[in-house]
Amino acid sequence: GQNIDQPTEMTATEGAIVQINCTYQTSGFNGLFWYQQHAGEAPTFLSYNVLDGLEEKGRFSSFLSRSKGYSYLLLKELQMKDSASYLCAVRDRGSQGNLIFGKGTKLSVKP
Amino acid sequence: NAGVMQNPRHLVRRRGQEARLRCSPMKGHSHVYWYRQLPEEGLKFMVYLQKENIIDESGMPKERFSAEFPKEGPSILRIQQVVRGDSAAYFCASSPQRGNEQYFGPGTRLTVT
Repeated sequence: GQNIDQPTEMTATEGAIVQINCTYQTSGFNGLFWYQQHAGEAPTFLSYNVLDGLEEKGRFSSFLSRSKGYSYLLLKELQMKDSASYLCAVRDRGSQGNLIFGKGTKLSVKP
Repeated sequence: NAGVMQNPRHLVRRRGQEARLRCSPMKGHSHVYWYRQLPEEGLKFMVYLQKENIIDESGMPKERFSAEFPKEGPSILRIQQVVRGDSAAYFCASSPQRGNEQYFGPGTRLTVT
């Protein structure tokens, strides 16, 4: 079966660093995506990993270990506007391109 | 470059009515995906279309739901005889090719009364 797990909620302080973990079990693997979604808005693309290792993009970094079925999203220098849900999604090798999403991690950044 | 557009943003229907949701992909994108998001749930894939073709509809309920992406005009997700359980946010995403990152529209929030 297909399963994407991530924590339901996290809280962090402005200026700090937070790591959001995602584990997945899928019948195949063809890439992992992270999206940010503010309440009532569309998901916006953050990062894409298909090979093992760390991808850095400004304050956001994403890591992938395919052998462990594990990824994390690292957010540095947290800002209040980073309060949002962070969605982990996997594209199964057998899929036509559609993504399998986790339920999302709701991050609250406090002053 | 306009992003993915969806309309209406909010739609209220009574049980038994039909709902039509429209999605215009980003310019240059020919691949469209529809997802449904229930409250406190993750996004669930429904259907993947290219111009005039349904590529994958494995996530679509077998009855009452249909989708199209004609040669001209937006993609349409059609829900016939809506029921309360259809109340959700429906998101459309587009990509220039299969396998590229998907860009999401603002969604249509359907409420069935």
